[in-house]
Amino acid sequence: GEDVEQSLFLSVREGDSSVINCTYTDSSSTYLYWYKQEPGAGLQLLTYIFSNMDMKQDQRLTVLLNKKDKHLSLRIADTQTGDSAIYFCAVPNTGGFKTIFGAGTRLFVKA
Amino acid sequence: DGGITQSPKYLFRKEGQNVTLSCEQNLNHDAMYWYRQDPGQGLRLIYYSQIVNDFQKGDIAEGYSVSREKKESFPLTVTSAQKNPTAFYLCASSILGQGEKAQHFGDGTRLSIL
Repeated sequence: GEDVEQSLFLSVREGDSSVINCTYTDSSSTYLYWYKQEPGAGLQLLTYIFSNMDMKQDQRLTVLLNKKDKHLSLRIADTQTGDSAIYFCAVPNTGGFKTIFGAGTRLFVKA
Repeated sequence: DGGITQSPKYLFRKEGQNVTLSCEQNLNHDAMYWYRQDPGQGLRLIYYSQIVNDFQKGDIAEGYSVSREKKESFPLTVTSAQKNPTAFYLCASSILGQGEKAQHFGDGTRLSIL
């Protein structure tokens, strides 16, 4: 079945770049998404990329998409302590009515 | 401001009791979703609805029920048949059709057993 995989933890120093990786199985999705979840809150849409793009930049965020390898990554430049959260990769399924979420990557930012 | 409101933020259930979690949206979205989140795990889909008076089971529907009588509202009932209900419950909504249709989430309800 459809699957989205992410590593569970990432630890970086404040000011460094963070790279969160995601692999997926369903390649028919038109859009792929990144969400951020802070403690005790819901998911907040961070950014998304259209499937015919290789890269999208939005301020400190850069999304890279490798469709051939079914690999998506989120790079956060100049990581701050406020970026500490769980980051979810999300890929709509073939029918488009459901979205498959990864297990989430917990980002720790050390001051 | 448009958004999704979930209530209550915290809920406690006694043995054998049904409890209902509220979800209201004013985004004029057609589709609504309920997810369950357990510590260290991703989101698991409980139920979803694409239109009023219609809904479909997700991956873990057993022990849960929903209704969609109004476009804005999609309440979730956790029944006594759900033996392990302690979790964080998230409601979401989205547009349908082609194009970008990211899901928008509420702030969640944390359900615990007394």
